[in-house]
Amino acid sequence: AQKITQTQPGMFVQEKEAVTLDCTYDTSDQSYGLFWYKQPSSGEMIFLIYQGSYDEQNATEGRYSLNFQKARKSANLVISASQLGDSAMYFCAMREGVSGNQFYFGTGTSLTVIP
Amino acid sequence: GAVVSQHPSRVICKSGTSVKIECRSLDFQATTMFWYRQFPKQSLMLMATSNEGSKATYEQGVEKDKFLINHASLTLSTLTVTSAHPEDSSFYICSAAWATDTQYFGPGTRLTVL
Repeated sequence: AQKITQTQPGMFVQEKEAVTLDCTYDTSDQSYGLFWYKQPSSGEMIFLIYQGSYDEQNATEGRYSLNFQKARKSANLVISASQLGDSAMYFCAMREGVSGNQFYFGTGTSLTVIP
Repeated sequence: GAVVSQHPSRVICKSGTSVKIECRSLDFQATTMFWYRQFPKQSLMLMATSNEGSKATYEQGVEKDKFLINHASLTLSTLTVTSAHPEDSSFYICSAAWATDTQYFGPGTRLTVL
C-alpha cells in the first residue's frame, strides 16, 4: 500500500484565491510527522510546513496551513491568497515513528496559478 | 530554514566516466544525509541514507558499488556515480537532517551522461 497518496496530478487556481491540495497517508505508528514541500521548476525542494501526529492544532506558516484530520488520515495543504510564484510541484511526505528518519513521498501535485 | 548546498548544479559527462556530487549543510550539523533521484515529472526516489562516520544504507535495487556515498563529516556527504552511463542521467538531490528533524534539501544536481 502507498504510504502517501496525492490524488490530484494537476490543479489550477485563480490568483488571489485559496486552493487545497489533498494528501492522505497510511501508517500504523502512533507517532509520525507530516511535511509539505514545494518544488519549483528550478528543482530545489523547499520545506513549507510540518505537522506532528500529536499536535492538536493545525500547523500554519504564513499563507500555508495544514488541515490535519487524524481519523481520516489526511493532511491537506491549504494555500491562501494564491500568487503566481506558487506555481510549482507540491509534495506531501511522512516520517514514521519516533526514531525513523526515512521520508515517504507522494507523487506530487502540479499547481498552476492563473493570473 | 536550514541551508543545504549541492555542487555542481549541472554536469555533463561522457559515458564511462565518474562524477562526484557534493552535499553540504551550511548552518547546522547533519547527523543524517539522504540521497534521492528524481526522474522528470515523478516523485523523489530514496537511494540511500548516510550517517556521519558509518556506511550508507542503500535502498533495494540501488547498486552500492555504482553509487558510492561518503559521509566524512557532519556537514559533508558525497555521491559518486561511477562509470556513468546514459541511463544514469537524472536529477540527484540530497537532503540533510539533524536527528529525526525535518529534512532540508539541496538545490539538486542535473546529471547528463552522453
